[in-house]
Amino acid sequence: SQQGEEDPQALSIQEGENATMNCSYKTSINNLQWYRQNSGRGLVHLILIRSNEREKHSGRLRVTLDTSKKSSSLLITASRAADTASYFCATGLYGNKLVFGAGTILRVKS
Amino acid sequence: GAVVSQHPSRVICKSGTSVKIECRSLDFQATTMFWYRQFPKQSLMLMATSNEGSKATYEQGVEKDKFLINHASLTLSTLTVTSAHPEDSSFYICSASLGSSDTQYFGPGTRLTVL
Repeated sequence: SQQGEEDPQALSIQEGENATMNCSYKTSINNLQWYRQNSGRGLVHLILIRSNEREKHSGRLRVTLDTSKKSSSLLITASRAADTASYFCATGLYGNKLVFGAGTILRVKS
Repeated sequence: GAVVSQHPSRVICKSGTSVKIECRSLDFQATTMFWYRQFPKQSLMLMATSNEGSKATYEQGVEKDKFLINHASLTLSTLTVTSAHPEDSSFYICSASLGSSDTQYFGPGTRLTVL
């Protein structure tokens, strides 16, 4: 399977702390994307980083990409209770196909 | 931003019946739409890629005769689960992309329960 792996599987932190999630993948990619999913809902696109980029920021989000290690990380700074959700990385392949990682369940306690 | 809708949001059906799920791009024309299924507490698995006016491309292991996909217009794709069985119960999510854009916009999902 091309599906990537994410760690940790679950993360529980206090409000205000930073949350870091990691993603590893197996194949060459065009880009890597991070999505968020609230329970029983659809996915919300958070950020896209291209294969020739190493770091990208969007608000409280920081994404890094290391293509030599085939890994990426998502950092959420100053977390809020509303950040509680599942977070998925997805590798963008040819034809705009996405292959999703297993996901990290983040719980932010207030 | 680009909005994708799905209908219905929830459906319960009897075993052996067929169920149609619609995916619409509301404010843009989607040349490509994707269908995923997600089991509880698991990730999304791509089922098929649908391009307007052509046959869908199914992922390995997905039965094309069971999961019929039609992409008749640039704003609508439908997934029909034929002769549904309890093991087909799942969360089905569609997404749409704009031309050569790398970003996919996801619908809110359809919860299918087959009794």
